[in-house]
Amino acid sequence: TQLLEQSPQFLSIQEGENLTVYCNSSSVFSSLQWYRQEPGEGPVLLVTVVTGGEVKKLKRLTFQFGDARKDSSLHITAAQPGDTGLYLCAGEGEYGNKLVFGAGTILRVKS
Amino acid sequence: DVKVTQSSRYLVKRTGEKVFLECVQDMDHENMFWYRQDPGLGLRLIYFSYDVKMKEKGDIPEGYSVSREKKERFSLILESASTNQTSMYLCASSLQRPNYGYTFGSGTRLTVV
Repeated sequence: TQLLEQSPQFLSIQEGENLTVYCNSSSVFSSLQWYRQEPGEGPVLLVTVVTGGEVKKLKRLTFQFGDARKDSSLHITAAQPGDTGLYLCAGEGEYGNKLVFGAGTILRVKS
Repeated sequence: DVKVTQSSRYLVKRTGEKVFLECVQDMDHENMFWYRQDPGLGLRLIYFSYDVKMKEKGDIPEGYSVSREKKERFSLILESASTNQTSMYLCASSLQRPNYGYTFGSGTRLTVV
């Protein structure tokens, strides 16, 4: 069974601070995705990374896929209250389109 | 705007009732999924489907069944609702290839009393 471990589980920071969320596994994934979920809503896809070592930027968010395609990170620069939510990583593994989800990181950005 | 629509945002049902959760997608996606989400446990896959009339068990199928008679519709059935099935239920869909990611519905918060 492929597993994805996310850390930290919970993060509470002040507006303007930087943060990094990690997603780690002992398994290789063919792609890795990051989602953000707001309370009472379904997760929304932020990005998909496919190539080992790939870096993608989405405004203040930077996503990196590890060289060995076993881990990923999400870095947020100058966090804002609108970044508050649950961040989920998900890997596409050996069973094709069925994603494996991490448990999530709850981010709270205080103004 | 592409969409996955779940029929109810909130449901309250009694123990022992048969419960139907409906999900419709308008993106012509082959894959459809049902998850439940509970605090501290993350998203757990109940059932998924790669094609019409096709279904596969996920990680926690006990107490649930599904139906996919049409490509756009995937229904989750709780045969006899129990209090431990109180949860947020999320439907999602995706293409088979390439995998551009899942599109999720807004969720159904089910309470079984």
